[in-house]
Amino acid sequence: GAVVSQHPSRVICKSGTSVKIECRSLDFQATTMFWYRQFPKKSLMLMATSNEGSKATYEQGVEKDKFLINHASLTLSTLTVTSAHPEDSSFYICSARTATGNTEAFFGQGTRLTVV
Amino acid sequence: GQQLNQSPQSMFIQEGEDVSMNCTSSSIFNTWLWYKQDPGEGPVLLIALYKAGELTSNGRLTAQFGITRKDSFLNISASIPSDVGIYFCAASSGTYKYIFGTGTRLKVLA
Repeated sequence: GAVVSQHPSRVICKSGTSVKIECRSLDFQATTMFWYRQFPKKSLMLMATSNEGSKATYEQGVEKDKFLINHASLTLSTLTVTSAHPEDSSFYICSARTATGNTEAFFGQGTRLTVV
Repeated sequence: GQQLNQSPQSMFIQEGEDVSMNCTSSSIFNTWLWYKQDPGEGPVLLIALYKAGELTSNGRLTAQFGITRKDSFLNISASIPSDVGIYFCAASSGTYKYIFGTGTRLKVLA
């Protein structure tokens, strides 16, 4: 199957700082990438959808100025959590869809963010 | 909004038993996917379904796309300890995004 790599897998940052998470599709071109947030023992909550070369589409209730998404190429999307606070601590996961063919989405390994 | 109701929430089974879980919705979908997530990892795609009525297998796993397009089930036969994890269904109505079920937490007793 297609491989999606997410980096870093774990990050601890101080409150007030910004953190960037990268999501790369390694062996396919991804016109669309998705960013999810997952709380302990809960399902995945879609935060935003990013399309290469255009602005991300955010889900209702997600602050676009706080969670900056950039999809600069067909293989890379980044999520930047700006001015992080402890309540932003969570598991963030990206997924990517292939540009052609079937429409299944493949996930990265996830990033555990802890804001102290 | 669209919701996927996944059941059961959790289950404990003996090694060797068969497992069945399902997802239902009041909305119609064009694609159903089943994922497995291990602790601290991203979900891994198990099976993808694209046609109503489609029955697809992947090893000991079998999934079906409901004929009404509002549901799907996943069966695991002869469960083994490494089947433990959380199983999620996901569905798309042809738009660019998927919604996820609430997950089924599976524990296998050796």
